[in-house]
Amino acid sequence: QVQLQQSGPGLMKPSQTLSLTCAISGDSVSSNSAAWNWIRQSPSRGLEWLGKTYYRSKWYKDYAVSMKSRITLNPDTSNNQFSLQLNSVTPEDTAVYYCARDPRGGGYFDLWGRGTLVTVSS
Amino acid sequence: QSALTQPPSASGSPGQSVTISCTGTSSDIGGYNYVSWYQQHPGKAPKLMIYEVIKRPSGVPDRFSGSKSGNTASLTVSGLQAEDEADYYCSSYAGSNNPYVFGTGTKVTVL
Repeated sequence: QVQLQQSGPGLMKPSQTLSLTCAISGDSVSSNSAAWNWIRQSPSRGLEWLGKTYYRSKWYKDYAVSMKSRITLNPDTSNNQFSLQLNSVTPEDTAVYYCARDPRGGGYFDLWGRGTLVTVSS
Repeated sequence: QSALTQPPSASGSPGQSVTISCTGTSSDIGGYNYVSWYQQHPGKAPKLMIYEVIKRPSGVPDRFSGSKSGNTASLTVSGLQAEDEADYYCSSYAGSNNPYVFGTGTKVTVL
């Protein structure tokens, strides 16, 4: 059974760097068909796609235009996981963060992590 | 990239049908057959219900069906059951620059 297990802090201060990890079981971060995504959800912004990483003979990383200056996704093949780093967080980054799998690069997400509530507050 | 537009709420009695619309543009829904729908219960992660406009993942009841016409996609839930009460979100591929856009969400209430 394929599962995604998220980990990372829930409370942060403004200007800090958010780091979240998504551990994959039952699939591989190096899959030649899947793409590994981060998505967040807040009452004010709804569901918002942040970025993805995927392997097609080499590693690719695509980011939402609105996040490009602050976001980094990294695959970790040794531990079969991938991570999100978001720099210079503000209270507007308060949201539930999900990792999710797009199984075929077909623009849909068939597997989601349980979500991590990240609160940014001084 | 603007969010796709959904009605805030929809409702029906048990056994009835409810249809949720999702309106976009020719740059997203109208341009690709990559519309998906998600069900989300309170405090839970979204669950894939429909992908590629009309396809159902294994395990999703055939009471759930999807369609698309022009820039608008729709999700129909037939034979409403109490457990169908949830928030529903549409999503569409929107091109390589900003690939995924989501809908504003619709709360379905089973009366």
